[in-house]
Amino acid sequence: GENVEQHPSTLSVQEGDSAVIKCTYSDSASNYFPWYKQELGKRPQLIIDIRSNVGEKKDQRIAVTLNKTAKHFSLHITETQPEDSAVYFCAALSGSARQLTFGSGTQLTVLP
Amino acid sequence: DGGITQSPKYLFRKEGQNVTLSCEQNLNHDAMYWYRQDPGQGLRLIYYSQIVNDFQKGDIAEGYSVSREKKESFPLTVTSAQKNPTAFYLCASSINQVQNTEAFFGQGTRLTVV
Repeated sequence: GENVEQHPSTLSVQEGDSAVIKCTYSDSASNYFPWYKQELGKRPQLIIDIRSNVGEKKDQRIAVTLNKTAKHFSLHITETQPEDSAVYFCAALSGSARQLTFGSGTQLTVLP
Repeated sequence: DGGITQSPKYLFRKEGQNVTLSCEQNLNHDAMYWYRQDPGQGLRLIYYSQIVNDFQKGDIAEGYSVSREKKESFPLTVTSAQKNPTAFYLCASSINQVQNTEAFFGQGTRLTVV
């Protein structure tokens, strides 16, 4: 089945700096890659997603890049703010089993 | 709030007892999922259902059971066979699995075995 690895597990940045979280996947048939943000005590919520026919997608301060050849995708957050502090999960929708497999999560802390 | 509701928010169970977690959605979504969240391990898939009266095992189905008798409901039973049931359980739904669409999560149920 699909295997998604996410790094780093924790990340601290100064307010205003950029943050990058990286994920790799194993199933070359996977074609949908969402990113979820989970604030403390709350449910995960989708912040951005990318499909396999696109290499990059941006939404204000958030961007995601996808390298299908290398089977990795990354989340970029620019001009970080304290409210960006949360756990971020990447995921991949496997082409065969049609199930969403999540990475292990990254605890992002933005220091004021 | 998101149209998917889990209950209860907190649940305590004695060892050896079965317990059922509720998940209801009013989004008219075909697909529903159960995930288990443990610290440092992300979200692991327990079971998923693409359509009423059909469901498939995920990566960690042992010790769990589900049913999908109605489109809007996907209850999860944690049986006494689950060796380490204390965890945070999240239910999610999406329009369907064929189209690559957003999964909406419930607020979760924290299960503690005492």
